[in-house]
Amino acid sequence: QSALTQPASMSGSLGESITISCTGSSNDVGRYDFVSWYQQHPGKAPQLIIYEVTKRPSGVSHRFSGSKSGNTASLTISGLQVVDEASYYCTSYTIVKTLVLFGGGTNLTVL
Amino acid sequence: QVQLVQSGPEVKKPGASVTVSCKASGFTFTNYGLNWVRQAPGQGPEWMGWINLFSGNTDSEQKFQGRVTMTRDTSTATAYLRLERLNSDDTAFYYCARDVHPSAASTTGQFDSWGQGTLVTVSS
Repeated sequence: QSALTQPASMSGSLGESITISCTGSSNDVGRYDFVSWYQQHPGKAPQLIIYEVTKRPSGVSHRFSGSKSGNTASLTISGLQVVDEASYYCTSYTIVKTLVLFGGGTNLTVL
Repeated sequence: QVQLVQSGPEVKKPGASVTVSCKASGFTFTNYGLNWVRQAPGQGPEWMGWINLFSGNTDSEQKFQGRVTMTRDTSTATAYLRLERLNSDDTAFYYCARDVHPSAASTTGQFDSWGQGTLVTVSS
């Protein structure tokens, strides 16, 4: 099964807001609320920033928020900071035997 | 705090097998499920499979079935991933990652703590 679809790259200016989309299907994003987002800096392991579509783990900045509409989930980062420059990946549980799908990733540049 | 510490880098020849370990601390080992995720250089992550650390039950991505074995040792709070019949496409960082939800019957595909990663290089 194909990975979830994310824009390959995005950019935003310091202090602005940006929204990254993650499009799946009625077998995964559209069916389950087990959608999560990860931030990954070069050479580091991914870090969970959103789970169950909208929930933030303890310690994650309130500047990160998640939502979902139909088969598309979204991650919004408000008040962009230099430290937000990283790759972002979404995941979803799926009814297909694959069980877990990752998005292809979005490289975020902060201008 | 929750920690997952993985074994060191490996270099293997095509056709060989590799075992990666993941030692857990800071939480009740048998209350959770543990996932294995790999990431080839410059690529996105790929989910490989999940093990229930209490029962030992596993689920794996279809493409790895027959080549992957996931086990755990509850006495040492360590999980293991074994991948057989390696080829160059298996060159990647391999991560263990704890599932967000304790006592889940299956993976939820959400990972709240990650190991540091183990680089497995397959080269002749």
